[in-house]
Amino acid sequence: GQNIDQPTEMTATEGAIVQINCTYQTSGFNGLFWYQQHAGEAPTFLSYNVLDGLEEKGRFSSFLSRSKGYSYLLLKELQMKDSASYLCAVRDGPGSARQLTFGSGTQLTVLP
Amino acid sequence: DGGITQSPKYLFRKEGQNVTLSCEQNLNHDAMYWYRQDPGQGLRLIYYSQIVNDFQKGDIAEGYSVSREKKESFPLTVTSAQKNPTAFYLCASSTKGAGYSNQPQHFGDGTRLSIL
Repeated sequence: GQNIDQPTEMTATEGAIVQINCTYQTSGFNGLFWYQQHAGEAPTFLSYNVLDGLEEKGRFSSFLSRSKGYSYLLLKELQMKDSASYLCAVRDGPGSARQLTFGSGTQLTVLP
Repeated sequence: DGGITQSPKYLFRKEGQNVTLSCEQNLNHDAMYWYRQDPGQGLRLIYYSQIVNDFQKGDIAEGYSVSREKKESFPLTVTSAQKNPTAFYLCASSTKGAGYSNQPQHFGDGTRLSIL
């Protein structure tokens, strides 16, 4: 089975940088996804990591350490519209049909 | 535009009633999924299907049923056996990448189900 932990809530100021951590325990691993979800809306895909290291996409970056079972999502130059829930999701080993197990999400509030 | 369409957006169920949530995709994706989301919680997998006429139970399948008669459609029925159906239901789909590689799931806008 899988166990995924994220902080429940975080608060940051507009223009700042925030790091959202995710730790996981899994019997197999074939990638980690980050999704953004605004209240009452569908989650939207942000990033994917399967190898150790940093993946950068504009203001958003995601880091993975497989040996530590750890990932973080880094958001730079925060904007008010970044206020949302951020979901960490892990995929089981190769060939897994069930795809993803989601964490409970981190609710980020960006203050002016 | 390609995407995933869920309907209705809001649904109310009476005691003892079965209700069916619709999910249609025109992305030509092989795999489709149903998740349930409760307030302040992550997504929990109800059922998933990798191919037409085949589907598998997820973590919380009790009280739910699905069918996959067409590639584009994966309806979810919430039966009267599901005693706590009030939740936000999300349908998703993805391509079957080589070795199930980095193919993200795409989500519909969700159906919010409540008990009358």
